[in-house]
Amino acid sequence: QVQLQQSGPGLVKPSQTLSLTCAISGDSVSSNSAAWNWIRQSPSRGLEWLGRTYYRSKWYNDYALSMRGRIAIDPDTSKNEFSLQLNSVTPEDTAVYYCARDLSATLHSWGQGTLVTVSS
Amino acid sequence: SSELTQDPVVSVAVGQTVRITCQGDSLRRYYASWYQQKPGQAPLLVIHGKNNRPSGIPDRFSGSSSGNTASLTITGAQAEDESDYYCNSRDSSGNQWVFGGGTKLTVL
Repeated sequence: QVQLQQSGPGLVKPSQTLSLTCAISGDSVSSNSAAWNWIRQSPSRGLEWLGRTYYRSKWYNDYALSMRGRIAIDPDTSKNEFSLQLNSVTPEDTAVYYCARDLSATLHSWGQGTLVTVSS
Repeated sequence: SSELTQDPVVSVAVGQTVRITCQGDSLRRYYASWYQQKPGQAPLLVIHGKNNRPSGIPDRFSGSSSGNTASLTITGAQAEDESDYYCNSRDSSGNQWVFGGGTKLTVL
């Protein structure tokens, strides 16, 4: 059974970088069939997909159009985890952030969620 | 704005059948998945693909699709089904995921 364990700070200052990590157990970040996603949820925006990374003989990324230019999702094969970096955050980036595994076009497994507040 | 549209609030009496719908152009090409979310918890997958239930999901949950509309049906709703339900699918380009705005289900 796949389990995703999130870690990272719950408070980030405006204009700084939000960084979260998702540790994978029960699967490999280098899987040729899975993709590894970040999603966030806020009262104003609901559930919002941010992007994903996946391996199909080489590494690929897809990012939400609204995030392009300030987001990076990267795998760490040595630790079997993947990370989210979101630059130049504002209070509008305050949300619960989730990592999730995408298998066969479905988000089967989710992390526990991390509330990130952007405030000075 | 979401490319998938859901009714914000739906109610059902205990034991009755309720259908929660999700509309969007991408659903003509891609199946929707359905998630149940209770307060303070991560979304839980309940239906995916044509009509597939993950292990542990009661068989009172079922899914269907027609044209640009996907539906989640709960046959014989229980009090514990009171929750928020979200649909999601790929967008029309196929490279992005989109979510519906969610439906709050009240079980009376």
